[in-house]
Amino acid sequence: EAQVTQNPRYLITVTGKKLTVTCSQNMNHEYMSWYRQDPGLGLRQIYYSMNVEVTDKGDVPEGYKVSRKEKRNFPLILESPSPNQTSLYFCASSWALGYPDTQYFGPGTRLTVL
Amino acid sequence: AQTVTQSQPEMSVQEAETVTLSCTYDTSENNYYLFWYKQPPSRQMILVIRQEAYKQQNATENRFSVNFQKAAKSFSLKISDSQLGDTAMYFCASSGTSGTYKYIFGTGTRLKVLA
Repeated sequence: EAQVTQNPRYLITVTGKKLTVTCSQNMNHEYMSWYRQDPGLGLRQIYYSMNVEVTDKGDVPEGYKVSRKEKRNFPLILESPSPNQTSLYFCASSWALGYPDTQYFGPGTRLTVL
Repeated sequence: AQTVTQSQPEMSVQEAETVTLSCTYDTSENNYYLFWYKQPPSRQMILVIRQEAYKQQNATENRFSVNFQKAAKSFSLKISDSQLGDTAMYFCASSGTSGTYKYIFGTGTRLKVLA
């Protein structure tokens, strides 16, 4: 089954404790991306990657890191989480013949930073 | 920064009626993609419909259709014969409107279909 998987689905942590949210896709998509969703703000792009070893900032990259060492994986790293990073996070992937096309989303990760 | 604007935070419609959700965007590009995504209470993001800017014909998918006005930078979604299962948050999104590989979402419209 074609899918994007994220883990964990729910995470409660404390300020400053480093964490990683994993993302994997099995569709051989070039483009992968991370978004955060907050009430009233819609989805905002954190980072995206056009291919292996190629990443770039979205609109809200501060406080986050990513890496793309393999085509299928795109982990999101919060090295020192703060309460303002409490949010719903989505990983997504797509083809990108030209601009990125339809996003296939993971199920989301609900993160709470205390 | 390029933006996608949804000016209707909430809407409601009677079952079997037609409703139109509005979306405007900002761009100086000529080729780009526009999308409508649906997010039901399950939180899963689902593509509703997709439009390529170089195509003049409006996209349709069963009960869903768009009114794409390129010059006006408008991309509205029409839902015909609304069903209870259409109750969801709807997001307008664009790709390529910034001339980069960024993907930009609007703030969403919460649609409630009333029985």
